[in-house]
Amino acid sequence: QSVLTQPPSVSAAPGQKVTISCSGSRSNIGNDFVSWYQQFPGTAPRLLIYDNDKRPSGIPDRFSGSKSGTSATLGITGLQTGDEAYYFCGTWDGSLTAGVFGGGTKLTVL
Amino acid sequence: QVQLVESGGGVVQPGRSLRLSCAASGFTFRKYGIHWVRQAPGKGLEWVAVISYDGSQQYYVDSLRGRFTVSRDNSKNTAFLQMNSLKAEDTAVYYCVRAEVGARFDPWGQGTLVTVSS
Repeated sequence: QSVLTQPPSVSAAPGQKVTISCSGSRSNIGNDFVSWYQQFPGTAPRLLIYDNDKRPSGIPDRFSGSKSGTSATLGITGLQTGDEAYYFCGTWDGSLTAGVFGGGTKLTVL
Repeated sequence: QVQLVESGGGVVQPGRSLRLSCAASGFTFRKYGIHWVRQAPGKGLEWVAVISYDGSQQYYVDSLRGRFTVSRDNSKNTAFLQMNSLKAEDTAVYYCVRAEVGARFDPWGQGTLVTVSS
């Protein structure tokens, strides 16, 4: 049972847009920045979004992030088959004094 | 470039101990905290622990506190995860990750697989 809640899977057609939600509480998302990670099978996660809505260099602007209250959202536009991967949200929980992640969402590009 | 490389994984019997290492390069290691995150086969990410830049503070996930210990040697640009009394459910890929401000985990090492089995 993950502290942050994500849908197990989402899907959309190539070229379409998809959003992935991440729900938490006041002690985690409500109290700190949210980051998002992309992971392909057999590889390490990589940072996709940090500080709620910032993209590291090299990440296309098709990827976006937002946060409102105790929830965050990752958006991906212009879906490509190469975007098929698992996506995780993460932050710090001040009450637990621990890092926390969502359970992960598998994106399928149909 | 910024790089973290884990080592020390392998097959270990239940009840035994194992120490993982995380060798850092490409950045000023002594200025950054280091997280350990694990991922059981087919499962999501589980945060394990973090050690501060100077080693003075450590935090652990409640379920592992007392069995796992993080440490670091800034003179060798290396962090460690000591795992004791290992159980089958500790089987996972273990990643070390640089702790950036703003609850950012970046970058990640390639991971090292720990398999606890008799």
